[in-house]
Amino acid sequence: GENVEQHPSTLSVQEGDSAVIKCTYSDSASNYFPWYKQELGKGPQLIIDIRSNVGEKKDQRIAVTLNKTAKHFSLHITETQPEDSAVYFCAASGGGSYIPTFGRGTSLIVHP
Amino acid sequence: DAGITQSPRHKVTETGTPVTLRCHQTENHRYMYWYRQDPGHGLRLIHYSYGVKDTDKGEVSDGYSVSRSKTEDFLLTLESATSSQTSVYFCAIRPGDRGTDTQYFGPGTRLTVL
Repeated sequence: GENVEQHPSTLSVQEGDSAVIKCTYSDSASNYFPWYKQELGKGPQLIIDIRSNVGEKKDQRIAVTLNKTAKHFSLHITETQPEDSAVYFCAASGGGSYIPTFGRGTSLIVHP
Repeated sequence: DAGITQSPRHKVTETGTPVTLRCHQTENHRYMYWYRQDPGHGLRLIHYSYGVKDTDKGEVSDGYSVSRSKTEDFLLTLESATSSQTSVYFCAIRPGDRGTDTQYFGPGTRLTVL
């Protein structure tokens, strides 16, 4: 089955800095890669996703890049703000299965 | 929360007692999922449903059962709760239109088994 590794587990940045979270996956058949943001006491919320026919996708301050050859994808947050502080999860699915495999999460802390 | 509610939101129970968690959706989506979230483990799939009365096991299904008698409700039952089932439980739906993989999560239920 699919295996998703996510790094780092904790990321601490100053407000205004950029943050990068990286994930690798094992199944070359995976073709859908969502990212979720989870604030304290809430459920994960989809913030951006990318499919394997696209190399990069942006939405305001967040972007996701995908390298199919290396089987890794990354979340980039620019100009971080304290409200970006949360746990971020990556996931991968595809190859006929719509059930995603999740990474273990990254706790992002943005210091004012 | 994509029209998803979970009840109860918090529950404390004792070892050996039965517990049922409810997930309710308002948009008639076909696919529903139950996950548990534990520190260091991320989200792990317990059971899922692909229609009324159609369910299947996930990665960590031991000790759990599910039922789906109506499109809008997906129930997760712990027949005899154990302390290892202390966790936060999330329900998710997948709209499934155009073959999309995207899942949307409910607000979660925090369960403590003493």
